[in-house]
Amino acid sequence: GDSVTQMEGPVTLSEEAFLTINCTYTATGYPSLFWYVQYPGEGLQLLLKATKADDKGSNKGFEATYRKETTSFHLEKGSVQVSDSAVYFCALTTGNQFYFGTGTSLTVIP
Amino acid sequence: DTAVSQTPKYLVTQMGNDKSIKCEQNLGHDTMYWYKQDSKKFLKIMFSYNNKELIINETVPNRFSPKSPDKAHLNLHINSLELGDSAVYFCASSTGTGGRTEAFFGQGTRLTVV
Repeated sequence: GDSVTQMEGPVTLSEEAFLTINCTYTATGYPSLFWYVQYPGEGLQLLLKATKADDKGSNKGFEATYRKETTSFHLEKGSVQVSDSAVYFCALTTGNQFYFGTGTSLTVIP
Repeated sequence: DTAVSQTPKYLVTQMGNDKSIKCEQNLGHDTMYWYKQDSKKFLKIMFSYNNKELIINETVPNRFSPKSPDKAHLNLHINSLELGDSAVYFCASSTGTGGRTEAFFGQGTRLTVV
């Protein structure tokens, strides 16, 4: 079945450090891929998405590239800020439902 | 203008009670979902409705009963609440089966059973 595996946390970084959160997927069809972010006490917000191979999603300095050959969609940011502290979820859909990774908690310290 | 709204945001109740959580979306989406998020942040699909029809019904105790009066609303009723039901419940919507765009989430309902 379809599934998403993402890097376990928690991750703690200093401000301005480089961030990578790994995400790989298994899907029977051609999925769309997403990164969602959840701030404390809030719902999930879409951070970025990619709908086909080699697409790059980007938003707020975050990027992820849809790599079909490695079935990956790793999240990166060149310089994290304290305000980026949140839980990040990788997700996919092939149209029927959404599959989420287990979430990676990120804490950025000043 | 809230896209997916759920009420209440917090719900504290005693074991054995019956409670409901309401969800409404104003995005014109055809598909709505209920997810349960446990204390470790793991998200588990519970139900999915497309145009008021149940299309996903995961292994969930039959004490949980979803109801979709129209495609903009999906409510969740829980009977005989148990301690293990304590979690955050999220409603979400998307453009529908076959669509591959993102899901939009509500703010969540934190249910605490005491």
